Amino acid sequence: EPEVTQTPSHQVTQMGQEVILRCVPISNHLYFYWYRQILGQKVEFLVSFYNNEISEKSEIFDDQFSVERPDGSNFTLKIRSTKLEDSAMYFCARLDRAATEAFFGQGTRLTVV
Amino acid sequence: GNSVTQMEGPVTLSEEAFLTINCTYTATGYPSLFWYVQYPGEGLQLLLKATKADDKGSNKGFEATYRKETTSFHLEKGSVQVSDSAVYFCALSGSGSARQLTFGSGTQLTVLP
Repeated sequence: EPEVTQTPSHQVTQMGQEVILRCVPISNHLYFYWYRQILGQKVEFLVSFYNNEISEKSEIFDDQFSVERPDGSNFTLKIRSTKLEDSAMYFCARLDRAATEAFFGQGTRLTVV
Repeated sequence: GNSVTQMEGPVTLSEEAFLTINCTYTATGYPSLFWYVQYPGEGLQLLLKATKADDKGSNKGFEATYRKETTSFHLEKGSVQVSDSAVYFCALSGSGSARQLTFGSGTQLTVLP
C-alpha cells in the first residue's frame, strides 16, 4: 500500500496566521483522518473524512479548523487563525483497503510563535 | 464513549529484560485493538493488531492478546533491545462508521545496554 506523505515536515507560524497542512497522495482511498499530538501528550483524533465530506469530528475540531480535498489528490487541514496552543504534531492517516488498520504519515510539526 | 488506559511511564529496562506494558480499554461493541510505536523524531508505526477476542497480535518479538473478559491488550516482549527504545501507544478502533482511533497516553520505554 502506498505511504502517506505529509508536507511540510515542520512549519513555524506567527499567532493569528492561517496555516495549511497537506497530506498526499490519497487517490483510491476513502477514509482519511487528522490527529494531533501536543508535545509529550497523547495522540488525539481531530476529524475523519469519508467520501469527500466530514464523517466525524472531535470537540477539538472547532470553527478554526477545516478540511478539504481540493484537487482529488491532496487532503488538507487548515487552521484559520493559529493560537499558541495549536503548536503540536499533526498526523494524517488513511485506512487500508480492508478498513482494518490506519497508516500514518510522518507528521507535520507546527510551531506557533 | 471509548477510552484507553495505559500504564504510566517512563519505563527503563536493561537489554534482554522482559517487557510488559499494560493496556485496558472501555468500548461499546467489538473494537479492534492496536499497538503503535513512535521512535524518536518519527511518526506513528503500527506494531501489531488484533481484531477479535482471543486474537494474538505479534511482530518483531512483541505480542499482545485481545482479552475481552478483562478488557485488556497488554504488550509483552521476552527480551528487549536498545533499538526498542520508543514511545508505545495502545489504541482502539471503534465499530462505528468512521473507525477513528482512540489512543492511550503512551509509555516511554528506554532500554539501556
